[in-house]
Amino acid sequence: EVQLVESGGNLVQPGGSLRLSCAASGFTFSNYWMHWVRQPPGKGLVWVSRVNPDGNNTTYADSVKGRFTISRDNAKNTLYLQMNSLRAEDTAVYYCARSSGWYEYWGQGTLVTVSS
Amino acid sequence: QVVLTQSPSASASLGASVKLTCTLSSGHSNYAIAWHQQQPGKGPRYLMKLYSDGSHIKGDGIPDRFSGSSSGAERYLTISSLQSEDEADYYCQTWGTGIREFGGGTKLTVL
Repeated sequence: EVQLVESGGNLVQPGGSLRLSCAASGFTFSNYWMHWVRQPPGKGLVWVSRVNPDGNNTTYADSVKGRFTISRDNAKNTLYLQMNSLRAEDTAVYYCARSSGWYEYWGQGTLVTVSS
Repeated sequence: QVVLTQSPSASASLGASVKLTCTLSSGHSNYAIAWHQQQPGKGPRYLMKLYSDGSHIKGDGIPDRFSGSSSGAERYLTISSLQSEDEADYYCQTWGTGIREFGGGTKLTVL
């Protein structure tokens, strides 16, 4: 059974940092592109970032470029999102998703709240 | 740039059928999409990938009550024999080179 389990969400002050993790199981993690997608409170889904299977090709939404870094550890079957210089508008539930173009599997999400 | 348009809300009675629509922007009528369901308080769940010819590939364990179809730039999700647990937000999604787009979502209420 494919499972994606996010962790690391928390309350953080504006300008602070946070690292999210996504533990994957039930499939060959190193074969798939992985994405982060976020959902602000009461709003829709917004793509954030993606990384290729080898971890050497990354892409970001303009809203997070230069502040967020996506990475992966294929030996640990884990996806990461390092978030720096956090802003109030980054407040959202963050989901990791396995991708073959479309999102085949999603995690349950982890909540990031940016507030003083 | 491709844009996906969905009606914000829909409603139908328990046991009835409902058809949700996702419309692709001009010039993109040949794009495939995916439908996702998000029940209250949960993460999204992949329902199916839907091609422009109406063929579709469902996700694991998706009931036969869920089906997809296409007409021109419109992609449809039909849910028959509506159950209370079908009350959820439904999102369409497309992809391609430089494209990672979601529709705004449709909130389905089961009466």
